[in-house]
Amino acid sequence: DTAVSQTPKYLVTQMGNDKSIKCEQNLGHDTMYWYKQDSKKFLKIMFSYNNKELIINETVPNRFSPKSPDKAHLNLHINSLELGDSAVYFCASSQEQGSGNTIYFGEGSWLTVV
Amino acid sequence: AQKVTQAQTEISVVEKEDVTLDCVYETRDTTYYLFWYKQPPSGELVFLIRRNSFDEQNEISGRYSWNFQKSTSSFNFTITASQVVDSAVYFCALSERGLDDKIIFGKGTRLHILP
Repeated sequence: DTAVSQTPKYLVTQMGNDKSIKCEQNLGHDTMYWYKQDSKKFLKIMFSYNNKELIINETVPNRFSPKSPDKAHLNLHINSLELGDSAVYFCASSQEQGSGNTIYFGEGSWLTVV
Repeated sequence: AQKVTQAQTEISVVEKEDVTLDCVYETRDTTYYLFWYKQPPSGELVFLIRRNSFDEQNEISGRYSWNFQKSTSSFNFTITASQVVDSAVYFCALSERGLDDKIIFGKGTRLHILP
């Protein structure tokens, strides 16, 4: 059983489209995240949610909107996709909020905007 | 401010050699946590280890070992008798005490194990 699962794994779409990436964790964790990994492998946090409440919004364009219907799910919706949005997006979760908690990552979603 | 530096961008070694991946961090906090993650060619991020700032004991797990030195702000990772399956990008990461969930990642070291 996959602990943190995200879909789709691969997504190719045209500029201007709107797309969503879904994420679910079955670890019973309270906190979930979205990270972005660019072409140079640099990993940066985008958002974190604790029990459905937004905790971190790391200067991400408004075109990115996370939604957490419950603490086991954190979806990422992207409007008006741009070429620069091409990246790997990782969903992740941790037991609870606060530093020191180990973050467990999903397998990543490869987004290519053409 | 916090910062994680992995100065080695890419390393290649021949199988069975030992290899050490360097990680140097900067933090003003006295309580912090250090992590290593592995990203194999398949792309997933695999947690390897977490260490808090009060525990300076070195850790060994099979062929993997970690050397935490607060005096030099380093948390180096050594693979003994490397294998081709160890080929991956390895990330060192740091987070500080408090409710700030951020884990700051280094830029990663790409390790090639040559057969």
